[in-house]
Amino acid sequence: GAVVSQHPSWVICKSGTSVKIECRSLDFQATTMFWYRQFPKQSLMLMATSNEGSKATYEQGVEKDKFLINHASLTLSTLTVTSAHPEDSSFYICSAPDRDTQYFGPGTRLTVL
Amino acid sequence: GENVEQHPSTLSVQEGDSAVIKCTYSDSASNYFPWYKQELGKRPQLIIDIRSNVGEKKDQRIAVTLNKTAKHFSLHITETQPEDSAVYFCAARSYNQGGKLIFGQGTELSVKP
Repeated sequence: GAVVSQHPSWVICKSGTSVKIECRSLDFQATTMFWYRQFPKQSLMLMATSNEGSKATYEQGVEKDKFLINHASLTLSTLTVTSAHPEDSSFYICSAPDRDTQYFGPGTRLTVL
Repeated sequence: GENVEQHPSTLSVQEGDSAVIKCTYSDSASNYFPWYKQELGKRPQLIIDIRSNVGEKKDQRIAVTLNKTAKHFSLHITETQPEDSAVYFCAARSYNQGGKLIFGQGTELSVKP
């Protein structure tokens, strides 16, 4: 199947700083990518849909100014968590569809101190 | 928008027994229903999926059934093995909503040797 990578796999940052997470489709092009957040023992909650060459679409309740998404190419989407706070600590996972199937990246564990 | 409900939240079975996980969805326009297996700290992995024009699909020990009228679908695992222990997520996708996946709450399956 198709491969999606994410970088970094884990990051620890201080409160108030910004963190950028990259999501790449390695062997296919993705005009759309999705960003999810997963808290411990919970489901994947869709945060936003990343659209190549246009603005991201955010789910209700997700602050677009706090979670900046850029989809500059057909293989790369980035999520920047701005002014991170401890409550932003979570597992962030991206996904990209190849034909009908959605493939997930390995996730990024963010810890905000 | 779409809402997916998944039951049970936890399921414990003896090795060799069958396991059944059920999901219901709300959006009649949803037409694609994947099931993902997620091991602790790892990415969700697609194990089987079904489209709305099919009532049942089987892949070795795993099967999925879909009842469009009742808007529910189920995952069946036969002859369970300890390595089947993981969290399982159902999801639904509607092309009316940009192709995004909406996930159920997850089922933690434990297979006891």
